[in-house]
Amino acid sequence: QSVLTQPPSVSGAPGQRVTISCTGTTSNFGGVYDVHWYQQLPGTAPRLLIYGNNNRPSGVPDRFSGSKSGTSASLAITGLQAEDEADYYCQSYDNSLSTWVFGGGTKLTVL
Amino acid sequence: EVQLLESGGGLVQPGGSLRLSCAASGFTFITYAMSWVRQAPGKGLEWVSSISGTGVNPYYADSVKGRFTISRDNSRNTLYLQMTSLRAEDTARYYCARVTGSVWYFEIWGQGTLVTVSS
Repeated sequence: QSVLTQPPSVSGAPGQRVTISCTGTTSNFGGVYDVHWYQQLPGTAPRLLIYGNNNRPSGVPDRFSGSKSGTSASLAITGLQAEDEADYYCQSYDNSLSTWVFGGGTKLTVL
Repeated sequence: EVQLLESGGGLVQPGGSLRLSCAASGFTFITYAMSWVRQAPGKGLEWVSSISGTGVNPYYADSVKGRFTISRDNSRNTLYLQMTSLRAEDTARYYCARVTGSVWYFEIWGQGTLVTVSS
């Protein structure tokens, strides 16, 4: 069971907006730490999608955005495209465990 | 171009050892902390180990502490993971990742190398 909780799956039609939630605790991003998001396309390595709660690395489309409020974080994807079909992971640091932690991952299906 | 290239994976028997390597290029290696993250077949991501840029400070997940050793050779721009007393549950693809940020996150990832522990 992951320290950060994500829904196993979400889906949406092309062009729609979807959100992926990530629930933490005050020991990780609900406290002083940030939350980060990664995208893993089928058969490929993960790539950084959002860092520091809501920042996009260069090359990441502005259709992707992140937010955080208390012990909840969200990744939003607008204008959904077929190429967005992937697994998405949230990540933070947990000071009660003294480890870097990931959510269990959410599989996004584009209908 | 920043690149991370892992190698050293393969099939090993339970109780055996393996050393993974990660060759880095395209950036000043010593200025970055580095990490290993693994993914068991069909499962999610699990942080394994990290090391500071100078190599002085290593960190380990409880699941590998005492069995795995992370190290780096800054003269060769290479990160290592020495794995001993391997178990079936260590079977996974192991990714090397460049770390950044005030409280580290995984900025750049390699393609990974597959480790299979089986008799």
